[in-house]
Amino acid sequence: GNSVTQMEGPVTLSEEAFLTINCTYTATGYPSLFWYVQYPGEGLQLLLKATKADDKGSNKGFEATYRKETTSFHLEKGSVQVSDSAVYFCALDTGTASKLTFGTGTRLQVTL
Amino acid sequence: NAGVTQTPKFRVLKTGQSMTLLCAQDMNHEYMYWYRQDPGMGLRLIHYSVGEGTTAKGEVPDGYNVSRLKKQNFLLGLESAAPSQTSVYFCASSYQRGLAGYNEQFFGPGTRLTVL
Repeated sequence: GNSVTQMEGPVTLSEEAFLTINCTYTATGYPSLFWYVQYPGEGLQLLLKATKADDKGSNKGFEATYRKETTSFHLEKGSVQVSDSAVYFCALDTGTASKLTFGTGTRLQVTL
Repeated sequence: NAGVTQTPKFRVLKTGQSMTLLCAQDMNHEYMYWYRQDPGMGLRLIHYSVGEGTTAKGEVPDGYNVSRLKKQNFLLGLESAAPSQTSVYFCASSYQRGLAGYNEQFFGPGTRLTVL
């Protein structure tokens, strides 16, 4: 079946540090891949997406590249801010009934 | 445009009690979903609906029932609550898959349920 594996958190960084959150997946076919972000006390919202191999999704300074050869979709940001503190979820959509499969989430804490 | 709203925001139940969680969306989305979020387990799909009058089981459907009598509403029911159903519940909705080729889901703010 489909699955998503994310690195364990929490991840604690100082402001302006470089961020990487690893995500690998197992899926049949050619899934679309997503990163969702959940700010404290809120629901999830889409951060970025990639729908085919080698696509790069980007938004708010975050980037992730769809690597089919390594089945990965790692999230990166060159300089994090305190306001980036949140839980980040990697997810995939194989197109079956439009359901998403989520990873367990990675909590990011950015300090001054 | 309120997006996806959930009622109530918080609820405490005793074991064996019943309740209904309401999800409403004003984006004319075809698809709606109910998830539960538990520490260390991410989001798990409970039930979903691909249109008015239709429902289907997700990953963890036991102990829950759903109804989609109107396109804009998706109700999640707990007939006899158990402590294992203590969780944060999220509703989401999305357009039917189209030219975009992917499925962006829009989430509500969540309902925190505690079962004693």
